[in-house]
Parts: sequence; C-alpha cells; structure tokens
Amino acid sequence: DQQVKQNSPSLSVQEGRISILNCDYTNSMFDYFLWYKKYPAEGPTFLISISSIKDKNEDGRFTVFLNKSAKHLSLHIVPSQPGDSAVYFCAARRNYGGSQGNLIFGKGTKLSVKP
Amino acid sequence: GAGVSQSPRYKVAKRGQDVALRCDPISGHVSLFWYQQALGQGPEFLTYFQNEAQLDKSGLPSDRFFAERPEGSVSTLKIQRTQQEDSAVYLCASSLTGTVNYGYTFGSGTRLTVV
Repeated sequence: DQQVKQNSPSLSVQEGRISILNCDYTNSMFDYFLWYKKYPAEGPTFLISISSIKDKNEDGRFTVFLNKSAKHLSLHIVPSQPGDSAVYFCAARRNYGGSQGNLIFGKGTKLSVKP
Repeated sequence: GAGVSQSPRYKVAKRGQDVALRCDPISGHVSLFWYQQALGQGPEFLTYFQNEAQLDKSGLPSDRFFAERPEGSVSTLKIQRTQQEDSAVYLCASSLTGTVNYGYTFGSGTRLTVV
C-alpha cells in the first residue's frame, strides 16, 4: 500500500504562472516532508522541506504547504520558469525514534513549463 | 568529494551474474542510504547505514541483496545471481546526522540492466 501518493503523473504550466504540485500521505508518524527535483540521468536534488509541526515553509520561488488534518502537502512554484521542467518527487521521513529515518517517495509528477 | 559518487554509471549483467555497485558518500557524512528506482516509479528504500553499522535492511527485496560499509565511508551494494526484475537505477544518498531538513544528497545512480 502506497504511503505517499502523487496522483498527477504530469502537469503543464505556462512560463510565469504558478505551478502547484500535490502530494497525499497516509502515515501520521511521518515527521518531515521533502520535495526533490529530478532531471533525466541525474539523481534527485533536494528542493525544500517542512517539519510536521509547521504548516508552511518558503524558499525563494518555492513554498511548501502542509495540511496535517487532510494529510496533504503541496509545492507552489511562483513564477514558473522553463528550467523548472523536471520530475518532482514528494518524500516523507519515517523517524526511527532518535536516529535518522528513511525516506518514502511518491511516484513523481512530471512538470513541463512552456515558454 | 563535493558530491555523492556512484560507479559504474551503467552496468549490463547477464541473468545469474553477480554485480557490485559502489557508492562514495560526501566526506564526513555519517548516514548512507541505498534506494532502488524502477522505471516510472519513485525511489524505494533498500537499506541504511550509520557509520559502519547497518541499522535497517528491511527494504532489501531478497537474500540475494547484500550491502556493506566496512569503514564507515565507501559502501558496496552486491546483488547475487541477478534476475531481470533487478533491472533498475540504484541510488545512493548520504547525510549528516540530524539534518533531514536539508535533505539527503543523492548520487546520479547506477543503471543496472539484466539481460
């Protein structure tokens, strides 16, 4: 059973507009949520994270929102640029209790930003 | 080095052959993770090391998979008697302990194709 779900396999947005990528999760024990960006033939690159005790984190053009009651998070990119075109993965960390936990990833959403 | 280095980048193995995949984490990173990414899927956790100790191997799909990190730096993922379903990209990630808010740093991966 998938614990982290990205229900949109792809998203197409016009340059300069907002991109909104969504992610749902099922496990209330996750303590951190992260977004990664991946270009072809490269490893995932960390983008932004949010602690489960927060509801928003912002870094430049990227903002992540967390709605714990709905077990839902979203990544907003404003304004979108053609260089943002990539696959975006949502990931959640399951804490082992003291030591680091492993990340559980969604299947990814392919974002295409058109000039 | 500046990033996580994985070798080889590509590996073609005949079914039944043993393979060894290498990961050089960022110097000083205590934690090291192995992930398997099948085509069109998100990375899936295989195993986790803290220094030389393998703290979690719950994601290893069978006893044909074995990982080690004998001196707490370089790690090797070994797959014995490879099968076609082992074809995937194998990703290594490293991090400093307690810094999940900065994400785990991934290498570019090794693409394994079993023929």
